[in-house]
Amino acid sequence: EVQLEQSGAEVKKPGQPLKISCKASGYSFTNHWIGWVRQMPGKGLESMGIIYPRDSDTRYSPSFQGQVTMSVDKSLNTAYLQWNTLRASDTAIYYCARGVDTTMGEAFDSWGQGTLVTVSA
Amino acid sequence: QSVLTQPPSVSGAPGQRVTISCTGSSSNIGAGFDVHWYQQLPGRAPKLLISGNTNRPSGVPDRFSASKSGTSASLAIAGLQTEDEADYYCQAYDNNLSDSIFGGGTQLTVL
Repeated sequence: EVQLEQSGAEVKKPGQPLKISCKASGYSFTNHWIGWVRQMPGKGLESMGIIYPRDSDTRYSPSFQGQVTMSVDKSLNTAYLQWNTLRASDTAIYYCARGVDTTMGEAFDSWGQGTLVTVSA
Repeated sequence: QSVLTQPPSVSGAPGQRVTISCTGSSSNIGAGFDVHWYQQLPGRAPKLLISGNTNRPSGVPDRFSASKSGTSASLAIAGLQTEDEADYYCQAYDNNLSDSIFGGGTQLTVL
């Protein structure tokens, strides 16, 4: 069974760094893209970007380029999303999801449970 | 405002059929990119409902179906059940943005 287990909720102050994780199991980690999706309070889903664990090829969505860093540790089957300097506007639930190719695109077929990040002074 | 436009809300009575539209443009749906649909139950992570325009993953009831034509796609839910109350999102790749994008989401209420 494919599973994506995300790290727990975080409460941080503006300006602090943060790294959250997404541990994959039940499939070959290096064969599928991992995507990150933001959901701000009461809002819709926003694609942040994707990373290919085999070679760490990373494609950031334009809105998130330079704002976050995606990485993986293949030895741990784990993907990471990190911020160097958090802002209050980063308060959101962050989901990781496994990508699967379709004929003309890529869908997210398995999702983590989400990590709630709260940034408040 | 999202590049993929969905109605903010739809509603229907139990047993009825509802459809949710997803309107794009020549740089995404109209360019031939696949449309995927997700269901997000209250307080839960999204779940893939339809991939590649029309394909239901294993375990998704056949009450859920989808289609695509031109620059638009639609999700249909037949035989509405109270447990179908959720937010529904379409997703597709956009050439101009070089990015995978989600529609703004549609809240389904089962009356």
